[in-house]
Amino acid sequence: AQSVTQLDSHVSVSEGTPVLLRCNYSSSYSPSLFWYVQHPNKGLQLLLKYTSAATLVKGINGFEAEFKKSETSFHLTKPSAHMSDAAEYFCVVSITGGGNKLTFGTGTQLKVEL
Amino acid sequence: ETGVTQSPTHLIKTRGQQVTLRCSSQSGHNTVSWYQQALGQGPQFIFQYYREEENGRGNFPPRFSGLQFPNYSSELNVNALELDDSALYLCASSYPGEEKLFFGSGTQLSVL
Repeated sequence: AQSVTQLDSHVSVSEGTPVLLRCNYSSSYSPSLFWYVQHPNKGLQLLLKYTSAATLVKGINGFEAEFKKSETSFHLTKPSAHMSDAAEYFCVVSITGGGNKLTFGTGTQLKVEL
Repeated sequence: ETGVTQSPTHLIKTRGQQVTLRCSSQSGHNTVSWYQQALGQGPQFIFQYYREEENGRGNFPPRFSGLQFPNYSSELNVNALELDDSALYLCASSYPGEEKLFFGSGTQLSVL
């Protein structure tokens, strides 16, 4: 079985400060890991994905995530938050070669304040 | 824009009724998945269709069923609606063999 745990349901940062959204995963197989973002009234958008090519993954809008097998973590970071980053973020796992059957975490609501 | 459109955007039904939700995918996306997102939760996998055949199902009862059509459209049908079926239903499509999913904006279903 596979699962992800997002350690914070809400994160609040000031504009221009770093963002850290934490995610731990559990998988019996070689996992593919993703971060998706969900803005209100918009579809889920893929930020980045890890599929074993490189442990540090760069995504869109300045986000990146580091896969740490020893810690079973896949935390999402951004050096400087922007107001437009305010949204719900989901850490997601799928079994490599398992098609597109994704298992989502419960989400982290990111708030960005002036 | 993801190229995936869902209709309707909002729907209100009564317990016991039946509902059909629709999704239109990009040309070439012959894999479509449906997810249920309850309030405050992450999306949960309902099932996936590939070339008009069900290709995997999550932990949902048989009253959740689907159809996929050759024109890259699909449907999610739910019979005997229950109050707990109230949720945002998301459709996601992809090219064959690719892990990147393109999500629609969803249908918000309320069961009263």
